[in-house]
Amino acid sequence: DIQMTQSPSTLSASVGDRVTITCRASQSIGNWLAWYQQKPGKAPEALIYRTSTLKSGVPSRFSGSGSGTEFTLTISSLQSDDFATYYCQQYNTHLWTFGQGTKVEIK
Amino acid sequence: QIHLVQSGAEVKKPGASVKVSCKASGYTFSAYYIHWVRQAPGHGLEWMAWINPNSGGTNLALKFQGRVTMTRDTSISTAYMELSGLASDDTAVYYCARGEKLWFYFDSWGQGTLVTVSS
Repeated sequence: DIQMTQSPSTLSASVGDRVTITCRASQSIGNWLAWYQQKPGKAPEALIYRTSTLKSGVPSRFSGSGSGTEFTLTISSLQSDDFATYYCQQYNTHLWTFGQGTKVEIK
Repeated sequence: QIHLVQSGAEVKKPGASVKVSCKASGYTFSAYYIHWVRQAPGHGLEWMAWINPNSGGTNLALKFQGRVTMTRDTSISTAYMELSGLASDDTAVYYCARGEKLWFYFDSWGQGTLVTVSS
């Protein structure tokens, strides 16, 4: 199975900061990479799919990049609504796996 | 508007089974896979399995093979996930999610069903 490793596990930041989260795959996954945001007690919500395509309605301060085995999620200017946990997710040959999550907390 | 509505919380004893339902609305149920993802308390997301509501075909992560059964009733746009041989580490919130067809991500999620396994 393909393993997904996110870093950091926790990130402390302030409103207005630029934030970057990294996700590494144990083998190449092409562009089959998505990002989700999850707030406490809520279901995850998709932000980005196909590595860099923003889901409709997602603010443009979110962006994704990468290919192969290394991917990043960037929030250009952190807003108060963005404090949450973020997960990457890969797809390969009918199997899906998630990263372990990155919690973005208030500094 | 797409909605996935799951059944309510369950408390089960070790060794028992639990069946969680996921009722879809706002789109053609048979046209999109339904996935199941779980999240143990304080932990991350774990993909479990999918069902193709059109054919009934399924695929499961290796660790759940032999313990998870997925079914669907297309007449009421509902998918079901049954997990057997429950143990304490199966305590988790179980989510259903719709699988987007082109880029293989989960574009809509149910609200989650808490399953607690306790003697």
